Amino acid sequence: EIVLTQSPATLSLSPGERATLSCGASQSVSSRNLAWYQQKPGLAPRLLIYDASRRATGIPDRFSGSGSGTDFSLTISRLEPEDFAVYYCQQYGSSQTFGQGTRVEIK
Amino acid sequence: QLQLQESGPGLVKPSVTLSLTCTVSGGSITSSSYYWGWIRQPPGKGLEWIGSIYYSGSTYFNPSLKSRVAISVDTSKNHFSLRLSSVTAADTAVYYCAKGAFDYVWGNYRYLDYWGQGTLVTVSS
Repeated sequence: EIVLTQSPATLSLSPGERATLSCGASQSVSSRNLAWYQQKPGLAPRLLIYDASRRATGIPDRFSGSGSGTDFSLTISRLEPEDFAVYYCQQYGSSQTFGQGTRVEIK
Repeated sequence: QLQLQESGPGLVKPSVTLSLTCTVSGGSITSSSYYWGWIRQPPGKGLEWIGSIYYSGSTYFNPSLKSRVAISVDTSKNHFSLRLSSVTAADTAVYYCAKGAFDYVWGNYRYLDYWGQGTLVTVSS
């Protein structure tokens, strides 16, 4: 099973700042089969990024994904108030697993 | 617009089988480019993938839950179902159903792009 480790656990930033979230895999993720989801309290996760760097439909271009192999990242170029949430990475190259999440909170 | 809605009991007793159904509207469960999955989230914790099914009935499961999980699809009712046996308090969670993108050329289950709102299932006597 591929284990995904997200860091940091919590990121404290102000609106307008840049956020960089990391997702490390215990084994190489084939064909960049990695997605990022955003989850707000009481709501279902929402797909942001798939195939490591492709934005899902309707996702603003301030969200970008990068990486390959075992190291991936999600960048939010300028945080908007609605971006404060928990973010999960997921690999679907070998079965499916999720990371434990990174909380982006208002500083 | 595709929509998914989970339904089932909110409270189940330990050792019984948990059963949930996900009804799909706004799209066909038999689309060759879709698959259907179940994911859960214990209160205050992260997401755990449970298993997935293609409309043909092909399934695959989280190895840690495989011995207790069954997923089925009913194309006539446009819904799919989850059964989790021998539940304990550790199975208390919000259970989500979701639609995934299926690569029918390579037979690959990919990302999850539509989610239901989730339903809380509590295991308690």
